[in-house]
Amino acid sequence: DVKVTQSSRYLVKRTGEKVFLECVQDMDHENMFWYRQDPGLGLRLIYFSYDVKMKEKGDIPEGYSVSREKKERFSLILESASTNQTSMYLCANGAGEGAHYGYTFGSGTRLTVV
Amino acid sequence: AQSVTQPDIHITVSEGASLELRCNYSYGATPYLFWYVQSPGQGLQLLLKYFSGDTLVQGIKGFEAEFKRSQSSFNLRKPSVHWSDAAEYFCAVGSGGYNKLIFGAGTRLAVHP
Repeated sequence: DVKVTQSSRYLVKRTGEKVFLECVQDMDHENMFWYRQDPGLGLRLIYFSYDVKMKEKGDIPEGYSVSREKKERFSLILESASTNQTSMYLCANGAGEGAHYGYTFGSGTRLTVV
Repeated sequence: AQSVTQPDIHITVSEGASLELRCNYSYGATPYLFWYVQSPGQGLQLLLKYFSGDTLVQGIKGFEAEFKRSQSSFNLRKPSVHWSDAAEYFCAVGSGGYNKLIFGAGTRLAVHP
């Protein structure tokens, strides 16, 4: 079975810390995505990557950056964590040929910034 | 711009009753449409998808959805709900290049015994 693995289920960080959220896929897919999920807002796209070292901003990139040094790994970085970044973060991947394949999601990382 | 609207934030049904979750989309071209389910504390699981052909699509766990272009809708249905169907359901539309998906705000389903 295909997998998208997020390294942490729960994280608690302090305001101002630099935070790394890791995501690994075993599917050799080109496209990877980071979303945050908040009640009443659904999933909002932060960043995505369509190839190694390639990235594009999503709808809410402010305060975040990403890294994709290898095809299987896509990291989300909170440069200086703030309390309004407390949220559920979901990583997903998708095949490169078109939108009709949908995504495979990781189990999510619930981040609390105190 | 593309968007997805799920008009119902919460729905409560009795076990064994039928279910319909609404989804409306805004998209200029022929859409790719998806329904995902999220159980508490979990990631999202694909229930079903539509991208061409028969407008009534079957998915996992006994769910189906009907694409109606004239109404810009893709409603999810199940004839008889089980207690294990209690979860949050998300509708999404595929947004062209790079396989981007745009999600609705979700509908939380509660099932009464």
